[in-house]
Amino acid sequence: GQQLNQSPQSMFIQEGEDVSMNCTSSSIFNTWLWYKQDPGEGPVLLIALYKAGELTSNGRLTAQFGITRKDSFLNISASIPSDVGIYFCAGPSENRDDKIIFGKGTRLHILP
Amino acid sequence: GAGVSQSPRYKVAKRGQDVALRCDPISGHVSLFWYQQALGQGPEFLTYFQNEAQLDKSGLPSDRFFAERPEGSVSTLKIQRTQQEDSAVYLCASSPDRVEEAFFGQGTRLTVV
Repeated sequence: GQQLNQSPQSMFIQEGEDVSMNCTSSSIFNTWLWYKQDPGEGPVLLIALYKAGELTSNGRLTAQFGITRKDSFLNISASIPSDVGIYFCAGPSENRDDKIIFGKGTRLHILP
Repeated sequence: GAGVSQSPRYKVAKRGQDVALRCDPISGHVSLFWYQQALGQGPEFLTYFQNEAQLDKSGLPSDRFFAERPEGSVSTLKIQRTQQEDSAVYLCASSPDRVEEAFFGQGTRLTVV
């Protein structure tokens, strides 16, 4: 079945650094979604991408929908402590667009 | 409240016990989804309702799992004869329309001992 591979699995950075994480798939996705999950909470949608090549920003976050439709990246600029959490890429299943497939997540840690 | 509410937040069940997890979606949201999130993993789709109709239950792992939404609002996920591998966070989400517009609840953490 469709799978999303996220890298890196975890990141340890200093406050103020920029962050880059990506997501790849062996199959095409027509929509790419990026979520953030804080401990004890459900995922929250950060950015939705609908068109190949699209570059979208949400504050300090920027995400791109890869031209091949098999990859996407998320950048966070000038990280702050509240950026800590798990970032998931996701997309609707090719067979059922009511079903979202999630990657395993990138865990972001910020060193004091 | 304004968000998706799930109860209980935590549930410890003895192996073999039946459990029922409740989801109160955002008022007026037509679509409701259940996901299972194992430790260290991303959420995995279980089932989808549009109003009271269960349109997709392809993600339910076994016939011990059953979900209902009889009046098109509150939903209950029931797990019969719980097993250790059922231990996970169960997330509910609701959406006014498209799945990418869904808001997630805080989840119920189920631990089977």
